[in-house]
Amino acid sequence: GQQLNQSPQSMFIQEGEDVSMNCTSSSIFNTWLWYKQDPGEGPVLLIALYKAGELTSNGRLTAQFGITRKDSFLNISASIPSDVGIYFCAGLGRDYGGSQGNLIFGKGTKLSVKP
Amino acid sequence: EAQVTQNPRYLITVTGKKLTVTCSQNMNHEYMSWYRQDPGLGLRQIYYSMNVEVTDKGDVPEGYKVSRKEKRNFPLILESPSPNQTSLYFCASSSTGFDGYTFGSGTRLTVV
Repeated sequence: GQQLNQSPQSMFIQEGEDVSMNCTSSSIFNTWLWYKQDPGEGPVLLIALYKAGELTSNGRLTAQFGITRKDSFLNISASIPSDVGIYFCAGLGRDYGGSQGNLIFGKGTKLSVKP
Repeated sequence: EAQVTQNPRYLITVTGKKLTVTCSQNMNHEYMSWYRQDPGLGLRQIYYSMNVEVTDKGDVPEGYKVSRKEKRNFPLILESPSPNQTSLYFCASSSTGFDGYTFGSGTRLTVV
């Protein structure tokens, strides 16, 4: 099936540092989503992007929908301990042969913060 | 409170014994979906439903069945579970499909 390539797989950062992660695909998506999953819980939607070039913020989080519609990135500024978790990108769209509702996930970026 | 509720949270069963994991949402969402999460593989979609009586296969549908007889419920059925279906399962719902899914808290299934 369709795959999203998410990087890095994991990262350790110092509290207060900025974090950047990205997601790429060989296919075009119409919607990019970023989720965070805490241990023992389901993923929670952080940011949704609907237009190529769109830059959207949610507090210390900023995400962009790539111009080519094949990539997206997520930045976290001034990281804090509660940012620890797994971050997933997800793509939605018809261009790869899927249909509305067929949401494809990357494999996740595990974020660990050094206190 | 708007939520997706799945039951049970934990389930241990034996190979071949039919089981059903229930999922219910109280947001009047059109779309519902099931995912499984495995280490190193991320979240993979099993089935999704666009409305009552309308379902479609995701990336890993083999060994699973679903039904959507009511808008709020979307049970996942394993007719003859096998050990390779040991996984963490999530149900999710979405209003339009494009506005992102709201996930339940997960069901950890172990098949021995």
